[in-house]
Amino acid sequence: DSGVTQTPKHLITATGQRVTLRCSPRSGDLSVYWYQQSLDQGLQFLIQYYNGEERAKGNILERFSAQQFPDLHSELNLSSLELGDSALYFCASSVGTGTSESVAYEQYFGPGTRLTVT
Amino acid sequence: ELKVEQNPLFLSMQEGKNYTIYCNYSTTSDRLYWYRQDPGKSLESLFVLLSNGAVKQEGRLMASLDTKARLSTLHITAAVHDLSATYFCAVDKSNNDMRFGAGTRLTVKP
Repeated sequence: DSGVTQTPKHLITATGQRVTLRCSPRSGDLSVYWYQQSLDQGLQFLIQYYNGEERAKGNILERFSAQQFPDLHSELNLSSLELGDSALYFCASSVGTGTSESVAYEQYFGPGTRLTVT
Repeated sequence: ELKVEQNPLFLSMQEGKNYTIYCNYSTTSDRLYWYRQDPGKSLESLFVLLSNGAVKQEGRLMASLDTKARLSTLHITAAVHDLSATYFCAVDKSNNDMRFGAGTRLTVKP
């Protein structure tokens, strides 16, 4: 158990709908990362927040958005869902954020939310 | 654009044998990570490598980094069945945009 929790575990919804995925980081971790894992795209970094502020953006679609709240939990909002959005969405957390090449913070991954769009 | 290539993508090996998984990346990066994923499970961090020549070992797994060659290796020594999983390498730069390889699905047979 990594200490990172994600809800819900499974989500089935229809095309065009909007869903919210929730992540609670490990106690003491300030950074939250969101990833998408699908068969055709593999693992992709979506977005990172550090202490409430957006820190880095990856391959996140405009239909997707995220935020990190003062209690450090994070939510990933997916809207106008398409069949291709079906995937496993992971959240990870780390204590800090690597701002230089001499520093790295281990990321701890949550169990994931499996999203199925029908 | 930063690209990460792993090979092989599939690896079937016998218990007790040694093998190496390779991870090449296209541009200079600050950090190199190795993760393990069991079927239907989340990712587990194995190693984080920062500098050229870095070598880390944990049990039967050893990871190394050659930043000049833009290459990392994950060496498996005397494989056991419990090591069967998918192994991912990933790299990122200071902007924290992490890029993953496609993964190497390892099966260790008795």
